[in-house]
Amino acid sequence: DQQVKQNSPSLSVQEGRISILNCDYTNSMFDYFLWYKKYPAEGPTFLISISSIKDKNEDGRFTVFLNKSAKHLSLHIVPSQPGDSAVYFCAARSISNFGNEKLTFGTGTRLTIIP
Amino acid sequence: SQTIHQWPATLVQPVGSPLSLECTVEGTSNPNLYWYRQAAGRGLQLLFYSVGIGQISSEVPQNLSASRPQDRQFILSSKKLLLSDSGFYLCAWVKRGTGYGYTFGSGTRLTVV
Repeated sequence: DQQVKQNSPSLSVQEGRISILNCDYTNSMFDYFLWYKKYPAEGPTFLISISSIKDKNEDGRFTVFLNKSAKHLSLHIVPSQPGDSAVYFCAARSISNFGNEKLTFGTGTRLTIIP
Repeated sequence: SQTIHQWPATLVQPVGSPLSLECTVEGTSNPNLYWYRQAAGRGLQLLFYSVGIGQISSEVPQNLSASRPQDRQFILSSKKLLLSDSGFYLCAWVKRGTGYGYTFGSGTRLTVV
């Protein structure tokens, strides 16, 4: 049961244009959503997050939008740069009744920026 | 500052051999610790997490086990590896109560032959 889905396995964008990565989720109990960036043979690095009570969070070239009614979030990168080429993972946090917290990840989207 | 160490970086093991991957965190205390696996063409799958010494939660039934013998040490083990255990294993930590901004180790590429 995939609770966090990234339906686009890959995306190619021209340098300088906007990159939009999408993510859908099914669990209404997620309280935080995060985006991670991953290069080959390295661990993912945290990029940006958004609380479930917000609809937008911006950090430099990166903006995350959350549409709770549609259970959809997106990451916008503008302008896109060659160094942005990587795999991007969407993740969602849940907390159990015992206070245990964990992240559920999507399958990732490989972003390629074309010079 | 906090750092996370994971080793080895790469490992090639024959089917049926044992496995031990180690992860340690420095610069913090009482972290939540996690083992994830990224199989070829798939996302990051949570295998185990721990909220304290000796406390292990398993997310999926499998050929692997985890232990937390010390506050900042998390070990992933197997008695007999299977071909399907091949993948990229990642350890992560987060300060309890923050939940976001998990920090990942650099990963171990395991190939079972």
